[in-house]
Amino acid sequence: EAQVTQNPRYLITVTGKKLTVTCSQNMNHEYMSWYRQDPGLGLRQIYYSMNVEVTDKGDVPEGYKVSRKEKRNFPLILESPSPNQTSLYFCASSLLGAFQETQYFGPGTRLLVL
Amino acid sequence: EDQVTQSPEALRLQEGESSSLNCSYTVSGLRGLFWYRQDPGKGPEFLFTLYSAGEEKEKERLKATLTKKESFLHITAPKPEDSATYLCAVRTMDSSYKLIFGSGTRLLVRP
Repeated sequence: EAQVTQNPRYLITVTGKKLTVTCSQNMNHEYMSWYRQDPGLGLRQIYYSMNVEVTDKGDVPEGYKVSRKEKRNFPLILESPSPNQTSLYFCASSLLGAFQETQYFGPGTRLLVL
Repeated sequence: EDQVTQSPEALRLQEGESSSLNCSYTVSGLRGLFWYRQDPGKGPEFLFTLYSAGEEKEKERLKATLTKKESFLHITAPKPEDSATYLCAVRTMDSSYKLIFGSGTRLLVRP
């Protein structure tokens, strides 16, 4: 079954404690990205990657890091989380260049930073 | 600045009452326009991709259309299970592959 998985699904942490949210896809997609979703602000892109070792900033990259060492994995790293990073996070992947691009989203990670 | 605007913010329909959702965009060039459905607490679910003005796509009670400035998602004879938030997103023709989302339309279909 084609899917994007994220872990953990729920996370409560404290300010400054480094954390990593993992994302994995089983569709051999080149393109992967991270979004955050906040009430009234909609989905905003944090970072995206067009292939292994190729990453670029989205609209809200401050306070986040990513890496793409393998095609299937695209972890999101918060080196020093702050309360304003409390949000619902989604990872997504798609096959670029396909005549009909379809983007698959993961189930989301709900993060609370105290 | 590239921008995507969806209207209305919320829409209440009676079962069977057809309507349309709007997504207007201001971008330097359109690489693709995407429609998604999102249920509460879940990730967006892909519906359609549109690439050029005049293009139309259909899936069950949904039909998406595209012009040079906007896209419509037409819902024909909706059912309560169509209740969800519908999101529109645009990928631009610049050198980046960013995806810009609208804020969504919350649809409630009453039986």
